[in-house]
Amino acid sequence: EVQLVESGGGLIQPGGSLRLSCAASGFTVSSNYMTWVRQAPGKGLEWVSIIYSGDTTYYGDSVKGRFTISRDKSKNTLYLQMNSLRAEDTAVYYCARDQSGLGWKRGFDPWGQGTLVTVSS
Amino acid sequence: DIQMTQSPSSLSASVGDRVTITCQASQDIYNYLSWYQQKPGKAPKLLIYDASNLETGVPSRFSGSGSGTDFTFTINSLQPEDIATYYCQQYDNLPLTFGGGTKVEIE
Repeated sequence: EVQLVESGGGLIQPGGSLRLSCAASGFTVSSNYMTWVRQAPGKGLEWVSIIYSGDTTYYGDSVKGRFTISRDKSKNTLYLQMNSLRAEDTAVYYCARDQSGLGWKRGFDPWGQGTLVTVSS
Repeated sequence: DIQMTQSPSSLSASVGDRVTITCQASQDIYNYLSWYQQKPGKAPKLLIYDASNLETGVPSRFSGSGSGTDFTFTINSLQPEDIATYYCQQYDNLPLTFGGGTKVEIE
């Protein structure tokens, strides 16, 4: 069964840093396109970042220069390093596989259960 | 950035009704569109990709259509377990963008 499990969320002060982890089972993170999506409390979905084959990465404008997506092949885990955090970064963060990398279907599946990041003093 | 305009933002329907949600892209996205279902406190679930392809295991009462800038998502015969918020998403261009969501409730 393909599955993603996030961890690393919590309460952090403005300006602080946090690293989210997303552990995969049932498939290999390093050979798939992987993405982060966030959802502020009571709001809609916002795409954050994606990592493609060859480790090419892209970011949404709201996090560019502050967040870094990466992955560890040996741990089969995706990461999101978040620096210079702001109150508006408060959200549930989801990791997901972008099926475009499979070559024969598209869309984000599976998704992790989400991890809450709260930025507040 | 491609803007995705979803409507309505909410709707109420009876069990067994046909429900339709529309999504309009600010520019041509061909058929590079997905639909997701999100239940309260849960992660989104992929229902449809490439505008009309049903994801494996998704009930056939869900369907999607459209291309270019105008897309439609339909639930034929609404069921109580379909209560959720539905989102469209384009993947023609970065940044990937979602519609604002449609909350579906039972009358």
